[in-house]
Amino acid sequence: GAVVSQHPSRVICKSGTSVKIECRSLDFQATTMFWYRQFPKQSLMLMATSNEGSKATYEQGVEKDKFLINHASLTLSTLTVTSAHPEDSSFYICSARKGGLADTQYFGPGTRLTVL
Amino acid sequence: QQPVQSPQAVILREGEDAVINCSSSKALYSVHWYRQKHGEAPVFLMILLKGGEQKGHEKISASFNEKKQQSSLYLTASQLSYSGTYFCGAYNQGGKLIFGQGTELSVKP
Repeated sequence: GAVVSQHPSRVICKSGTSVKIECRSLDFQATTMFWYRQFPKQSLMLMATSNEGSKATYEQGVEKDKFLINHASLTLSTLTVTSAHPEDSSFYICSARKGGLADTQYFGPGTRLTVL
Repeated sequence: QQPVQSPQAVILREGEDAVINCSSSKALYSVHWYRQKHGEAPVFLMILLKGGEQKGHEKISASFNEKKQQSSLYLTASQLSYSGTYFCGAYNQGGKLIFGQGTELSVKP
């Protein structure tokens, strides 16, 4: 199988604080991980692509200084939402790309962030 | 370029069939189907890699018409557990998986 874990699953924080979300591929090595954000009843919007050992590439409109991404190893990527505000409240989902013949992405369970 | 899915929503009775379509204005080299239940992350269903390929997963199958740049997901004899939002995805030239807007499927008893 291909299992991706994400932690925490739910976080509530005060405005102005920073929140770190971890994404791990448990049974495979992922050279590429992706971070998505999803608002209620909407599709998944790609925020950034994270490559192990290099800087993340951000989609247009996503502030790289606000959403810090670190891909420390082939199995771990982290997203830090800095100085969070209520408008950052959303469902954040990571995915890990598993190469090979069936090259597809497997998603973590998601993190629901609520900023008060 | 985001794939386009149709219909946006569908309501079924248990045991009925449904078809969800996914089309792209750009060439498709592979199509990925996911199902997402409310409050959860998307779960991978299947990938179709070449034109004409058909795959099955339980009573859910899919086809891929590379020439028409379309894929269809078929749900037969639907069960309550099939409820959720179905997304198709396709890689763009930059190697990023871009998702359609989703199709919300509700199966009623």
